[in-house]
Amino acid sequence: ILNVEQSPQSLHVQEGDSTNFTCSFPSSNFYALHWYRWETAKSPEALFVMTLNGDEKKKGRISATLNTKEGYSYLYIKGSQPEDSATYLCAPDTGNQFYFGTGTSLTVIP
Amino acid sequence: SAVISQKPSRDICQRGTSLTIQCQVDSQVTMMFWYRQQPGQSLTLIATANQGSEATYESGFVIDKFPISRPNLTFSTLTVSNMSPEDSSIYLCSARSGRGTGELFFGEGSRLTVL
Repeated sequence: ILNVEQSPQSLHVQEGDSTNFTCSFPSSNFYALHWYRWETAKSPEALFVMTLNGDEKKKGRISATLNTKEGYSYLYIKGSQPEDSATYLCAPDTGNQFYFGTGTSLTVIP
Repeated sequence: SAVISQKPSRDICQRGTSLTIQCQVDSQVTMMFWYRQQPGQSLTLIATANQGSEATYESGFVIDKFPISRPNLTFSTLTVSNMSPEDSSIYLCSARSGRGTGELFFGEGSRLTVL
Protein backbone atom coordinates (compact mmCIF):
# COMPACT_ATOMS: atom_id res chain seq x y z
CA ILE A 1 0.00 0.00 0.00
CA LEU A 2 1.29 3.43 -0.97
CA ASN A 3 0.33 6.30 1.31
CA VAL A 4 -0.07 9.23 -1.08
CA GLU A 5 -0.43 12.73 0.32
CA GLN A 6 -1.58 15.81 -1.50
CA SER A 7 -1.30 19.37 -0.31
CA PRO A 8 -2.90 21.72 0.16
CA GLN A 9 -6.25 20.06 0.75
CA SER A 10 -8.06 23.06 -0.72
CA LEU A 11 -7.10 26.28 -2.37
CA HIS A 12 -8.88 29.47 -3.41
CA VAL A 13 -7.16 31.74 -5.93
CA GLN A 14 -8.13 34.78 -7.93
CA GLU A 15 -8.60 34.50 -11.67
CA GLY A 16 -5.26 35.12 -13.35
CA ASP A 17 -3.15 33.90 -10.43
CA SER A 18 -0.74 31.04 -10.92
CA THR A 19 -0.75 28.20 -8.45
CA ASN A 20 0.80 24.84 -7.72
CA PHE A 21 0.14 21.82 -5.55
CA THR A 22 2.10 18.83 -4.36
CA CYS A 23 1.75 15.07 -4.48
CA SER A 24 4.05 13.16 -2.10
CA PHE A 25 4.66 9.44 -2.04
CA PRO A 26 6.97 7.39 0.23
CA SER A 27 8.15 4.94 -2.42
CA SER A 28 8.93 5.23 -6.12
CA ASN A 29 8.18 1.58 -6.81
CA PHE A 30 5.58 2.25 -9.48
CA TYR A 31 5.27 2.30 -13.26
CA ALA A 32 3.84 5.77 -13.61
CA LEU A 33 2.42 8.73 -11.74
CA HIS A 34 -0.96 9.94 -12.99
CA TRP A 35 -2.65 13.30 -12.50
CA TYR A 36 -6.42 13.62 -12.88
CA ARG A 37 -8.83 16.53 -12.81
CA TRP A 38 -12.25 15.81 -11.32
CA GLU A 39 -15.02 18.32 -11.81
CA THR A 40 -18.24 17.97 -9.88
CA ALA A 41 -20.75 15.60 -11.51
CA LYS A 42 -18.25 14.60 -14.19
CA SER A 43 -15.80 11.75 -14.71
CA PRO A 44 -12.24 12.16 -13.46
CA GLU A 45 -10.25 13.25 -16.52
CA ALA A 46 -6.66 12.19 -17.09
CA LEU A 47 -4.22 15.10 -17.32
CA PHE A 48 -0.76 13.56 -17.34
CA VAL A 49 1.01 10.22 -17.16
CA MET A 50 4.59 10.58 -15.92
CA THR A 51 7.05 7.72 -15.88
CA LEU A 52 10.62 8.95 -15.49
CA ASN A 53 12.47 10.88 -12.84
CA GLY A 54 12.71 14.44 -14.06
CA ASP A 55 9.72 14.03 -16.36
CA GLU A 56 7.95 17.25 -17.25
CA LYS A 57 4.61 17.36 -19.04
CA LYS A 58 2.60 20.32 -20.25
CA LYS A 59 -0.92 20.79 -21.57
CA GLY A 60 -1.83 24.39 -22.25
CA ARG A 61 -1.56 26.35 -19.00
CA ILE A 62 -1.11 23.23 -16.88
CA SER A 63 2.20 21.47 -16.36
CA ALA A 64 3.62 18.85 -14.04
CA THR A 65 6.99 17.58 -12.89
CA LEU A 66 8.06 14.32 -11.29
CA ASN A 67 10.91 13.70 -8.86
CA THR A 68 11.01 10.01 -8.00
CA LYS A 69 14.24 10.29 -6.01
CA GLU A 70 12.73 12.66 -3.50
CA GLY A 71 9.20 11.31 -3.79
CA TYR A 72 7.06 14.13 -5.09
CA SER A 73 5.29 15.54 -8.10
CA TYR A 74 4.16 19.12 -8.63
CA LEU A 75 1.22 20.34 -10.69
CA TYR A 76 1.32 23.95 -11.88
CA ILE A 77 -1.48 26.06 -13.29
CA LYS A 78 -0.50 29.34 -14.92
CA GLY A 79 -3.04 32.16 -15.10
CA SER A 80 -5.88 30.25 -13.39
CA GLN A 81 -9.34 30.49 -14.94
CA PRO A 82 -12.74 29.72 -13.36
CA GLU A 83 -12.98 26.59 -15.54
CA ASP A 84 -9.90 25.25 -13.75
CA SER A 85 -11.99 24.86 -10.60
CA ALA A 86 -11.94 21.15 -9.79
CA THR A 87 -10.33 18.57 -7.55
CA TYR A 88 -6.89 17.48 -8.74
CA LEU A 89 -5.89 13.91 -7.91
CA CYS A 90 -2.55 12.20 -8.20
CA ALA A 91 -2.08 8.44 -8.27
CA PRO A 92 1.01 6.24 -8.51
CA ASP A 93 0.29 3.20 -10.64
CA THR A 94 2.00 -0.02 -9.51
CA GLY A 95 0.56 -2.00 -12.40
CA ASN A 96 -1.86 -3.80 -10.12
CA GLN A 97 -3.46 -0.75 -8.63
CA PHE A 98 -3.65 3.03 -8.60
CA TYR A 99 -3.14 4.63 -5.19
CA PHE A 100 -5.03 7.90 -5.10
CA GLY A 101 -4.33 10.84 -2.85
CA THR A 102 -7.19 12.74 -1.24
CA GLY A 103 -6.85 15.48 -3.83
CA THR A 104 -6.48 19.25 -3.87
CA SER A 105 -9.73 21.14 -4.33
CA LEU A 106 -9.10 24.29 -6.37
CA THR A 107 -11.59 27.16 -6.59
CA VAL A 108 -10.79 30.00 -8.96
CA ILE A 109 -12.64 33.17 -8.07
CA PRO A 110 -13.63 35.36 -11.04
CA SER B 1 -9.80 5.93 -24.99
CA ALA B 2 -12.97 4.50 -23.49
CA VAL B 3 -16.30 6.08 -22.65
CA ILE B 4 -17.91 4.68 -19.52
CA SER B 5 -21.60 5.07 -18.73
CA GLN B 6 -22.78 4.52 -15.20
CA LYS B 7 -26.26 4.46 -13.75
CA PRO B 8 -27.87 5.57 -11.60
CA SER B 9 -26.00 8.85 -11.33
CA ARG B 10 -27.44 9.41 -7.88
CA ASP B 11 -29.94 7.86 -5.54
CA ILE B 12 -31.32 8.21 -2.07
CA CYS B 13 -31.77 4.87 -0.36
CA GLN B 14 -33.29 3.57 2.83
CA ARG B 15 -31.22 1.78 5.43
CA GLY B 16 -31.27 -1.99 4.96
CA THR B 17 -32.00 -1.93 1.25
CA SER B 18 -29.66 -2.87 -1.61
CA LEU B 19 -28.85 -1.02 -4.81
CA THR B 20 -27.19 -2.20 -8.00
CA ILE B 21 -25.03 0.16 -10.05
CA GLN B 22 -24.49 -0.62 -13.71
CA CYS B 23 -21.41 0.20 -15.74
CA GLN B 24 -21.15 0.00 -19.53
CA VAL B 25 -17.92 0.60 -21.49
CA ASP B 26 -18.07 1.49 -25.16
CA SER B 27 -15.17 -0.79 -26.09
CA GLN B 28 -13.69 -4.05 -24.92
CA VAL B 29 -11.32 -3.50 -22.02
CA THR B 30 -9.07 -5.87 -20.16
CA MET B 31 -9.59 -4.59 -16.65
CA MET B 32 -12.59 -3.07 -14.87
CA PHE B 33 -12.57 -1.74 -11.33
CA TRP B 34 -14.95 -0.33 -8.76
CA TYR B 35 -13.87 2.54 -6.51
CA ARG B 36 -15.52 4.33 -3.63
CA GLN B 37 -14.98 7.86 -2.39
CA GLN B 38 -16.39 8.54 1.04
CA PRO B 39 -16.73 12.18 2.10
CA GLY B 40 -13.29 13.71 2.68
CA GLN B 41 -11.48 10.53 1.70
CA SER B 42 -9.42 9.44 -1.28
CA LEU B 43 -10.64 7.15 -4.03
CA THR B 44 -10.42 3.65 -2.58
CA LEU B 45 -10.38 0.51 -4.69
CA ILE B 46 -13.19 -1.88 -3.74
CA ALA B 47 -12.44 -4.67 -6.19
CA THR B 48 -11.30 -5.71 -9.63
CA ALA B 49 -14.18 -7.07 -11.68
CA ASN B 50 -13.04 -10.24 -13.48
CA GLN B 51 -14.82 -11.39 -16.59
CA GLY B 52 -16.62 -14.65 -16.04
CA SER B 53 -15.27 -15.25 -12.54
CA GLU B 54 -15.44 -13.89 -9.02
CA ALA B 55 -14.18 -10.38 -8.41
CA THR B 56 -10.91 -9.76 -6.55
CA TYR B 57 -11.65 -7.75 -3.42
CA GLU B 58 -9.31 -5.41 -1.59
CA SER B 59 -8.74 -5.59 2.13
CA GLY B 60 -11.79 -4.39 4.01
CA PHE B 61 -14.30 -5.24 1.27
CA VAL B 62 -16.22 -8.52 1.02
CA ILE B 63 -18.38 -10.16 -1.58
CA ASP B 64 -21.45 -10.40 0.65
CA LYS B 65 -21.51 -6.64 1.05
CA PHE B 66 -20.40 -5.67 -2.46
CA PRO B 67 -21.30 -8.42 -4.93
CA ILE B 68 -19.90 -7.71 -8.39
CA SER B 69 -20.68 -9.21 -11.75
CA ARG B 70 -18.85 -8.96 -15.05
CA PRO B 71 -20.54 -11.17 -17.64
CA ASN B 72 -18.51 -9.80 -20.57
CA LEU B 73 -15.67 -7.43 -21.44
CA THR B 74 -17.82 -4.29 -21.57
CA PHE B 75 -20.30 -4.54 -18.68
CA SER B 76 -20.16 -4.80 -14.91
CA THR B 77 -22.44 -4.28 -11.94
CA LEU B 78 -21.77 -3.45 -8.30
CA THR B 79 -24.39 -4.06 -5.66
CA VAL B 80 -24.22 -2.30 -2.32
CA SER B 81 -26.09 -4.63 0.02
CA ASN B 82 -27.93 -4.00 3.27
CA MET B 83 -26.99 -0.35 3.17
CA SER B 84 -26.27 1.83 6.17
CA PRO B 85 -25.53 5.57 6.33
CA GLU B 86 -21.79 4.73 6.30
CA ASP B 87 -22.24 3.51 2.71
CA SER B 88 -23.12 7.03 1.57
CA SER B 89 -20.41 7.63 -1.01
CA ILE B 90 -19.62 8.18 -4.63
CA TYR B 91 -19.09 4.86 -6.39
CA LEU B 92 -17.01 4.95 -9.56
CA CYS B 93 -16.60 2.38 -12.28
CA SER B 94 -13.28 2.45 -14.12
CA ALA B 95 -11.46 0.55 -16.85
CA ARG B 96 -8.10 0.22 -18.50
CA SER B 97 -6.92 -1.68 -21.53
CA GLY B 98 -3.88 -3.40 -20.08
CA ARG B 99 -2.10 -4.15 -16.86
CA GLY B 100 0.70 -1.76 -15.97
CA THR B 101 0.13 0.58 -18.87
CA GLY B 102 -2.12 3.34 -19.99
CA GLU B 103 -4.52 5.50 -18.13
CA LEU B 104 -7.53 4.59 -16.09
CA PHE B 105 -10.86 5.75 -17.53
CA PHE B 106 -13.76 6.56 -15.23
CA GLY B 107 -17.51 6.76 -15.32
CA GLU B 108 -19.23 9.83 -13.92
CA GLY B 109 -19.91 8.11 -10.64
CA SER B 110 -22.99 7.14 -8.69
CA ARG B 111 -23.65 9.31 -5.65
CA LEU B 112 -25.53 7.30 -3.04
CA THR B 113 -27.09 8.78 0.07
CA VAL B 114 -28.36 6.32 2.65
CA LEU B 115 -30.88 7.60 5.17
